[in-house]
Amino acid sequence: GEDVEQSLFLSVREGDSSVINCTYTDSSSTYLYWYKQEPGAGLQLLTYIFSNMDMKQDQRLTVLLNKKDKHLSLRIADTQTGDSAIYFCAESNNAGNMLTFGGGTRLMVKP
Amino acid sequence: KAGVTQTPRYLIKTRGQQVTLSCSPISGHRSVSWYQQTPGQGLQFLFEYFSETQRNKGNFPGRFSGRQFSNSRSEMNVSTLELGDSALYLCASSFANRPYEQYFGPGTRLTVT
Repeated sequence: GEDVEQSLFLSVREGDSSVINCTYTDSSSTYLYWYKQEPGAGLQLLTYIFSNMDMKQDQRLTVLLNKKDKHLSLRIADTQTGDSAIYFCAESNNAGNMLTFGGGTRLMVKP
Repeated sequence: KAGVTQTPRYLIKTRGQQVTLSCSPISGHRSVSWYQQTPGQGLQFLFEYFSETQRNKGNFPGRFSGRQFSNSRSEMNVSTLELGDSALYLCASSFANRPYEQYFGPGTRLTVT
């Protein structure tokens, strides 16, 4: 079955860039996503990328997709303390309506 | 535009009881999905409804069921609750023609004692 893997923890200093990595196994994944979850809250859709793209930029966020290696990354430029949260990578099939999530990466931003 | 709302936000039940959780999608969204989040298993897909029909189902026992109403609101039911059902239950909704843009509600925290 599908599997999505992420590292558990990342710590950066305020103002630095953060890079969160994710690998997936399902070669038929059509959409790949990044969600953010703050304590006690639901999931916030940050961005998504279609599998036929290799990069997407949205303000401070840059998503890179290496389809050959099944590797997805999220770069947050000028990381702020408000970016501290758990970040989930997810993939879905071409219908886009069933998400398979990674275990989440806890990002800690130190002032 | 109001976001996805879920009620109740917190719930405490006893083993063996049943529970019903409610989800109101964003206005205009007709697809509603449910996910379970636990520390041990992470986020897992439960089921998805569209136009009052269940389109997809995850790998959960038959004790977990759901339905969708004509106004797209959805409910999920868990019968014969077990301790392991303690979790955050998240609902997500999307437009019919943009299923890849799923917006999540704040969740219902269910504790089974």
